[in-house]
Amino acid sequence: DAGVIQSPRHEVTEMGQEVTLRCKPISGHNSLFWYRQTMMRGLELLIYFNNNVPIDDSGMPEDRFSAKMPNASFSTLKIQPSEPRDSAVYFCASSRLAGGPETQYFGPGTRLLVL
Amino acid sequence: AQSVTQLGSHVSVSEGALVLLRCNYSSSVPPYLFWYVQYPNQGLQLLLKYTSAATLVKGINGFEAEFKKSETSFHLTKPSAHMSDAAEYFCAVSDSGNTPLVFGKGTRLSVIA
Repeated sequence: DAGVIQSPRHEVTEMGQEVTLRCKPISGHNSLFWYRQTMMRGLELLIYFNNNVPIDDSGMPEDRFSAKMPNASFSTLKIQPSEPRDSAVYFCASSRLAGGPETQYFGPGTRLLVL
Repeated sequence: AQSVTQLGSHVSVSEGALVLLRCNYSSSVPPYLFWYVQYPNQGLQLLLKYTSAATLVKGINGFEAEFKKSETSFHLTKPSAHMSDAAEYFCAVSDSGNTPLVFGKGTRLSVIA
């Protein structure tokens, strides 16, 4: 199994530019989560999807952030316009949708630096 | 609302010594609890999870954790530390099968030769 795939692994951009992060979940998983990791705030949820439908986006910082999941094998997180405070590591995770405590499998993350 | 508190942002142990990483949770419903490990520049990897089947949970790499409801704790232990255990460890809680995880701040484990 390939695991959760994220791209790019590293992104350096200038303030005001649009940034798009991509995620391919594990095949057969139908829950997808976007988390952000910073030194100050630790790991925090941004948004999650069940069966491609956004369930909770209350963690999305502001309107500059948007996420989509057009199909079961692809999701994007977009920041437009980007700001230096968006610099962080962004993780995508996926799991099966079942009644029990399914394990969330994390991708390697995208390290974003906004100058 | 759920929350997790990890006592000690940094723990240092000698190689071969006991590892004890502390985690206390707050949840209004019976929780599901997880420990994840993060190696430098990598994603998070599941060490073990508590699903109410047994209070003592064994995980990978010789780690185990015990769920103690009376203490609202889920501390992570390993009898003998190895240099390869140096990493960041995160305790997390969720209240059902597929809700997002709420993470603690993490504990960085250093192992001294």
